Amino acid sequence: DVKVTQSSRYLVKRTGEKVFLECVQDMDHENMFWYRQDPGLGLRLIYFSYDVKMKEKGDIPEGYSVSREKKERFSLILESASTNQTSMYLCASSSHGQGIRETQYFGPGTRLLVL
Amino acid sequence: GNSVTQMEGPVTLSEEAFLTINCTYTATGYPSLFWYVQYPGEGLQLLLKATKADDKGSNKGFEATYRKETTSFHLEKGSVQVSDSAVYFCALGSGNTGKLIFGQGTTLQVKP
Repeated sequence: DVKVTQSSRYLVKRTGEKVFLECVQDMDHENMFWYRQDPGLGLRLIYFSYDVKMKEKGDIPEGYSVSREKKERFSLILESASTNQTSMYLCASSSHGQGIRETQYFGPGTRLLVL
Repeated sequence: GNSVTQMEGPVTLSEEAFLTINCTYTATGYPSLFWYVQYPGEGLQLLLKATKADDKGSNKGFEATYRKETTSFHLEKGSVQVSDSAVYFCALGSGNTGKLIFGQGTTLQVKP
């Protein structure tokens, strides 16, 4: 059974803290993605990675960075958390295999509250 | 650029009612189209997909047909159940990166 796990379901942090969100997949997928989900806005892509140590900016990368040192793990970093980064964060992975026809598999999400 | 537009929610239906959630898209080339579902407290999971014009995706009683002439991919189900209560996302995949563009999501609530 395919699995994408995220390090925390709920997280509370203070403004200015450095925040790490971790995502691990066990499907040997090449592609990994970080989204944020906000009511009325759907899912917006923050960053994605198509291979180890490779990354590309998505639609809303400001205030975020990522790290992919191993194929199975993709980390999202909030360098200095701000209240407008309070959101649900979703990680996903997919195979290169069929390009645009590939299904993305999602983790359960991390609900982050920045005070 | 590419985009996806879904009907506004929430949608509230009685059990066994017919469901339609509209989705239209703007894209160059030949995108793939997806419906994902998010049950309360969970991540998204694929509901169905279609990869070329006139394809019909189907799963769990849900169907959607890829209509290139109307740039639409409307989700339908003949008889909804309380367990179908969830948020439904239409998505478009294009280019060669595996990236998806999502609509804003439509919340469905089914009452007994």
